[in-house]
Amino acid sequence: QKEVEQDPGPLSVPEGAIVSLNCTYSNSAFQYFMWYRQYSRKGPELLMYTYSSGNKEDGRFTAQVDKSSKYISLFIRDSQPSDSATYLCAILNAGGTSYGKLTFGQGTILTVHP
Amino acid sequence: NAGVTQTPKFQVLKTGQSMTLQCAQDMNHNSMYWYRQDPGMGLRLIYYSASEGTTDKGEVPNGYNVSRLNKREFSLRLESAAPSQTSVYFCAEGENTEAFFGQGTRLTVV
Repeated sequence: QKEVEQDPGPLSVPEGAIVSLNCTYSNSAFQYFMWYRQYSRKGPELLMYTYSSGNKEDGRFTAQVDKSSKYISLFIRDSQPSDSATYLCAILNAGGTSYGKLTFGQGTILTVHP
Repeated sequence: NAGVTQTPKFQVLKTGQSMTLQCAQDMNHNSMYWYRQDPGMGLRLIYYSASEGTTDKGEVPNGYNVSRLNKREFSLRLESAAPSQTSVYFCAEGENTEAFFGQGTRLTVV
């Protein structure tokens, strides 16, 4: 079983739609949960991170973590064509024998069309 | 992608050849990573180094070796390249909650 599983998509939505991206993970020791965005032929860049269960909001983006079900989500409100990219969830092991290990999901390709 | 320099950007190898991918960071962070990215597979961790002097295997270490030369540099070596190692390779470095990525190396093994 992969440590992080992500719905691969792809997703195609109209401009203004609400987008939901999801991942599950297997190791309860993970502590930091992140979302990265990657444009074509570029390296990934951090969008946001959360610690522990709950929600974190940043503009049109909301990251949600449910540690009881090992489920993480990213919601994008009022999606724009400029949001078209690959979105990757990632989990950082902040303790234990795998300290510092940063594991990514498979990535979801999102296209927002005008 | 400030602070992470990967070389080369492109490379074509013949099966069985060896090469080293270089990565250097100037942000004085402890952790460094090597990933490969293939269509539909996301970023798969090859090796990581949580601090200078330590390296650990990731998800797909077979066929690769790494060296954390110092805090700045983390190299990835392919001793005998195989077509299955055709991929885009990313080096990253980070501290705590954020990793910074290089621009990637596009490697083709023929």
